[in-house]
Amino acid sequence: QVQLQESGPGLVKPSQTLSLTCTVSDGSISSGSYYWSWIRQPAGKGLEWIGRIYTSWSTNFNPSLKSRVTMSIDTSKNQFSLKLSSVTAADTAVYYCATYRRDLRSFDYWGQGTLVTVSS
Amino acid sequence: QSALTQPASVSGSPGQSITISCTGTSSDVGGYNYVSWYQQHPAKAPKLMIYEVSNRPSGVSNRFSGSKSGNTASLTISGLQAEDEADYFCLSYTSSNTLVFGGGTKLTVL
Repeated sequence: QVQLQESGPGLVKPSQTLSLTCTVSDGSISSGSYYWSWIRQPAGKGLEWIGRIYTSWSTNFNPSLKSRVTMSIDTSKNQFSLKLSSVTAADTAVYYCATYRRDLRSFDYWGQGTLVTVSS
Repeated sequence: QSALTQPASVSGSPGQSITISCTGTSSDVGGYNYVSWYQQHPAKAPKLMIYEVSNRPSGVSNRFSGSKSGNTASLTISGLQAEDEADYFCLSYTSSNTLVFGGGTKLTVL
């Protein structure tokens, strides 16, 4: 089964860019079975879908974050990445990467999550 | 896009059944059979419990079932067990080719 692991800085300063990477194991990121996705969860709150990437030119983003989000895929490293610009304290959350299965229309594999705090 | 509407909390005694609702619009829940449900225990990643409204992944107990009527999807858990105590989230595909979660429901097993 696919395994996912998020990595990146746990602390980001306000107005800077948050950058996270998700490494995929036991599965190929070139597989056509998945949308590679990012989801976040502020402490004590609900899940928020950030966006997904299928290929380097096929992405969908949450309209509320679209202007600040970039996603990319690195097939050579079997990784996909998230960049969120101009962060504020409201972007403090646990960030999950997950696989959205195209046939089941649902998230079947999740990373363990990584806490990103926005603070000076 | 607005989050789907779920009750903040539900509770039930062991052995009982509970239902969690997830209300959206004709542009999301009502327009597609692409509603899924997730269980999340504290400090853990969510786990898929139901996909495409009413289908259970392999390994998920048949005590969990899903349904949909109009713009509202529902998750029913029968024969409540202590281990079912968790947060539950619904997710829907939308007409804008995006995804939207529900606000989440905390299930307490009394």
